[in-house]
Amino acid sequence: EAQVTQNPRYLITVTGKKLTVTCSQNMNHEYMSWYRQDPGLGLRQIYYSMNVEVTDKGDVPEGYKVSRKEKRNFPLILESPSPNQTSLYFCASRGGRGQPQHFGDGTRLSIL
Amino acid sequence: GDSVTQMEGPVTLSEEAFLTINCTYTATGYPSLFWYVQYPGEGLQLLLKATKADDKGSNKGFEATYRKETTSFHLEKGSVQVSDSAVYFCALGNRDDKIIFGKGTRLHILP
Repeated sequence: EAQVTQNPRYLITVTGKKLTVTCSQNMNHEYMSWYRQDPGLGLRQIYYSMNVEVTDKGDVPEGYKVSRKEKRNFPLILESPSPNQTSLYFCASRGGRGQPQHFGDGTRLSIL
Repeated sequence: GDSVTQMEGPVTLSEEAFLTINCTYTATGYPSLFWYVQYPGEGLQLLLKATKADDKGSNKGFEATYRKETTSFHLEKGSVQVSDSAVYFCALGNRDDKIIFGKGTRLHILP
């Protein structure tokens, strides 16, 4: 089954404790992205990647890092999480230009 | 810059009512247009898409027509069901290949 898999689905942690949210897709897609979803703000793109070792900032990259060492994986790293990063996070992938996004089921992060 | 504007929610309807969720966009050229649906506790799923003017996307009884002259892509369904309760997002893919989302419209269908 074609899918985007994120882990964990839920995480409660404390300020400053480094965390990684993993994302993997099995569709051989070139493009991958991370979004955060907040009430009243909709979806905002954090980072995206157009291929292995090619990443770029989205609209709200501050406080986040990503890497794309393999085509299928695109982890999101919070080196020193803060409470304003409490949010619902989605990983997405797509096959190419003009193609629709395929989304994971989301990761709800709470930073205390 | 390019943007998508969709009607504020929540929208509350009775079962079997007619649904319209308005979406307008600003973009240069001819963007691709999408509607996504997000059910509770899940990620966004593509509902339908259109890639050129006058195209009609359709799926699960939902329809939307790409109107270049009014820069609109309104979502419609003739008879909604309780199971259609969800958040609906309009989106465009612009000439820089960036996907831009509207803020979403929450739909409640009452039995």
